[in-house]
Amino acid sequence: GQQVMQIPQYQHVQEGEDFTTYCNSSTTLSNIQWYKQRPGGHPVFLIQLVKSGEVKKQKRLTFQFGEAKKNSSLHITATQTTDVGTYFCAGNGETSGSRLTFGEGTQLTVNP
Amino acid sequence: NAGVMQNPRHLVRRRGQEARLRCSPMKGHSHVYWYRQLPEEGLKFMVYLQKENIIDESGMPKERFSAEFPKEGPSILRIQQVVRGDSAAYFCASSFTSNEQFFGPGTRLTVL
Repeated sequence: GQQVMQIPQYQHVQEGEDFTTYCNSSTTLSNIQWYKQRPGGHPVFLIQLVKSGEVKKQKRLTFQFGEAKKNSSLHITATQTTDVGTYFCAGNGETSGSRLTFGEGTQLTVNP
Repeated sequence: NAGVMQNPRHLVRRRGQEARLRCSPMKGHSHVYWYRQLPEEGLKFMVYLQKENIIDESGMPKERFSAEFPKEGPSILRIQQVVRGDSAAYFCASSFTSNEQFFGPGTRLTVL
């Protein structure tokens, strides 16, 4: 079945440093979504990427979808303490209908 | 417009009892998904339902677990004869189409 792998599992940064998490799928995706989950909270949708090579920005966050539509990345510029949480990618396979396969997430901590 | 609602937020059961978890999707959403999350882990897909139909239950254990989404009322995830390994956070999500999913606050199940 489809697998989505995410690295790193943990990332500790000093406030102001950049952060990147990477997501790789075992199969080609029709789209990929990113979610953020704060400690003790629930996942919150951040963005969806659909097109090959697509790049989207939300303030300090930059999302990329690979040319082969099998990998994606999330980059945060100049992290802030409010960025703390776990970032999940979730892939929608070309043959999996509406089912999302989530990566294991990257847990980000930001030291002030 | 209320978000996805789940109740109870916390549920404690003894081994062998039944657990019933409820999810009311956002108004206008007809797609409901259930996920399980163990501490420090990602979300594992369990089941995808539309009104009165189970679309994909490939992530749900064959025994003891069942889900429904009746024409009227919330979606129910039912776990019979719970065991300690069932302890987890169970999240429900809803969507209007197959795109962005909106998550509820989750039900934290503890099996004693």
